[in-house]
Amino acid sequence: EPEVTQTPSHQVTQMGQEVILRCVPISNHLYFYWYRQILGQKVEFLVSFYNNEISEKSEIFDDQFSVERPDGSNFTLKIRSTKLEDSAMYFCASRKQANRLDTQYFGPGTRLTVL
Amino acid sequence: QQPVQSPQAVILREGEDAVINCSSSKALYSVHWYRQKHGEAPVFLMILLKGGEQKGHEKISASFNEKKQQSSLYLTASQLSYSGTYFCGTGSPNFGNEKLTFGTGTRLTIIP
Repeated sequence: EPEVTQTPSHQVTQMGQEVILRCVPISNHLYFYWYRQILGQKVEFLVSFYNNEISEKSEIFDDQFSVERPDGSNFTLKIRSTKLEDSAMYFCASRKQANRLDTQYFGPGTRLTVL
Repeated sequence: QQPVQSPQAVILREGEDAVINCSSSKALYSVHWYRQKHGEAPVFLMILLKGGEQKGHEKISASFNEKKQQSSLYLTASQLSYSGTYFCGTGSPNFGNEKLTFGTGTRLTIIP
């Protein structure tokens, strides 16, 4: 069964550094998402992406964040200057189409630790 | 605003039943249920739509009460593998590209 994959599984970085988190959505999916989960808390929406542009973003997704689909398979989340509070698990999700019964399938996540 | 889940945590013996509730302060259009095991990605369990459509795993059942703005997930004859944190995610009217707003989760522990 096709899966969403994410790399790396764990990223450790120094405060102020740039990080890029990578995702390969399920191949025939059209809608892509990033969520994050701070340890022990709920999953929070960051951004949705369709047709090569951002559809919606949350208040968390400020100017330090950007997303890109550089080719036909990868979907990336960049954090330009990481802060301590960016430490979290970041999940990528994809959805096939705008069918009412289609849901989002999540990748295994990247654990980001900012020191 | 995030949906509210209850209970926050529950411990069951294998074979017992559980009900997890998800309440929204806003109108419900869709509810998506996921289970997450520690350190893993949320795994899709069920989707329920306003109007009655639903899709999910055979052994999972759930209800959608539009009037009460509430959904409930029913786990019967629980197995050890059911342990994990259950999240409900509520969708928006924009089915085309909806974000999910997740509740705070219900931690379910099944003991032998």
